[in-house]
Amino acid sequence: GAVVSQHPSRVICKSGTSVKIECRSLDFQATTMFWYRQFPKQSLMLMATSNEGSKATYEQGVEKDKFLINHASLTLSTLTVTSAHPEDSSFYICSARGGQGVEKLFFGSGTQLSVL
Amino acid sequence: QQQVKQSPQSLIVQKGGISIINCAYENTAFDYFPWYQQFPGKGPALLIAIRPDVSEKKEGRFTISFNKSAKQFSLHIMDSQPGDSATYFCAASSGNQFYFGTGTSLTVIP
Repeated sequence: GAVVSQHPSRVICKSGTSVKIECRSLDFQATTMFWYRQFPKQSLMLMATSNEGSKATYEQGVEKDKFLINHASLTLSTLTVTSAHPEDSSFYICSARGGQGVEKLFFGSGTQLSVL
Repeated sequence: QQQVKQSPQSLIVQKGGISIINCAYENTAFDYFPWYQQFPGKGPALLIAIRPDVSEKKEGRFTISFNKSAKQFSLHIMDSQPGDSATYFCAASSGNQFYFGTGTSLTVIP
């Protein structure tokens, strides 16, 4: 299957700092990328959808000024958590669709963010 | 409103047994139904998927059964193994919209 690379896999930071998470589609061009947040033992909560070259569409309740998404190319999307606080601690996962099986959605390996 | 309802929340199966996870949806516009497997600390991995013009799809020990009239689909894991212990998510998709079930935690005991 297609490969989506996400890093870092784990990050610990101090409150008030910003953290950038990268998501890359390694062997296909991702026309659309998605960012999710997942709490322990819960389902995936969609945060935003981004298409290459355009602004991301955020889900209701997600602060776009806090969670900055940049989909600069067909293979790279970044999520920056600005001025992180302990309540932002969570597991963040990106996904991408595109390539041969356009309807298929492939996930990155996730980033565990811990804000102290 | 939960677009995709998944049950059970958790499931314990003996090694060699059959694991069955069920999902139901309402929106008839959905045209793609994937299942994902997620291990702790990892992202979900696409396991198997089906489109509504097919009633069953089998890949190895994994089978999706799809009932279009009932708007239900299920994942069957035959000869379940301890290595299958994970959380499974069903999903339904239309266009760029993906809706996930709440997940089923499967434990296969030796």
